[in-house]
Amino acid sequence: QSALTQPASVSGSPGQSITISCTGTSSDVGGYNFVSWYQQHPGKAPKLIIYDVTKWPSGVSNRFSGSKSGNTASLTISGLQAEDEADYYCTSYTSNNTFGVFGGGTKLTVL
Amino acid sequence: EVQLVQSGAEVKKPGESLKISCKGSGYNFNLYWIAWVRQMPGKGLEWMGIIYPGDSDTRYSPSFQGQVTISADKSVSTAYLQWSSLKSSDTAMYYCAASVVITRFDYWGQGSLVTVSS
Repeated sequence: QSALTQPASVSGSPGQSITISCTGTSSDVGGYNFVSWYQQHPGKAPKLIIYDVTKWPSGVSNRFSGSKSGNTASLTISGLQAEDEADYYCTSYTSNNTFGVFGGGTKLTVL
Repeated sequence: EVQLVQSGAEVKKPGESLKISCKGSGYNFNLYWIAWVRQMPGKGLEWMGIIYPGDSDTRYSPSFQGQVTISADKSVSTAYLQWSSLKSSDTAMYYCAASVVITRFDYWGQGSLVTVSS
């Protein structure tokens, strides 16, 4: 089962916006509105920041936003802050195993 | 408050068996899915499998089917991940996570580090 495709790394300066893409297939990203995004700081457990493509869990900043077009989902972080430096993973429901598949992860560097 | 507390770090030899745990509190354990996620050193997250303690519905990712066993004991609100014969490639951090739906996982344990080395 193939992982979803994410860029290995992205970078941006404080205050800027960045977008991370997540490409799958019609069996996962394109077929369902069940894409989630997780943020993981070094040595910490992942944290849910977006679910069902565009929704925020309670307590998550609205500087994080999600979208989807066809087989590609995207996470946009606006007003970059130093604390946003972390690894970001997308995941989608997939009909292949009837629960989920992760992307390979993207390392965000705040310059 | 939903909390997941995982068992501590383990150091094992190849061929040995192991069972790690994830104890839930602050919610109805029977009504939340529990997922297990592997993160090998310096690598990304991988879904291993999920279990619904209420009816023991268990699903595995193809890569992990037959390699591990996921179970749950409702009487002690604890889920388990088990190996019958560890390999060095099982060295990783293992996280459990919980949610009412399988399409997102809101709550995560702190992780259990498993090291397999001769």
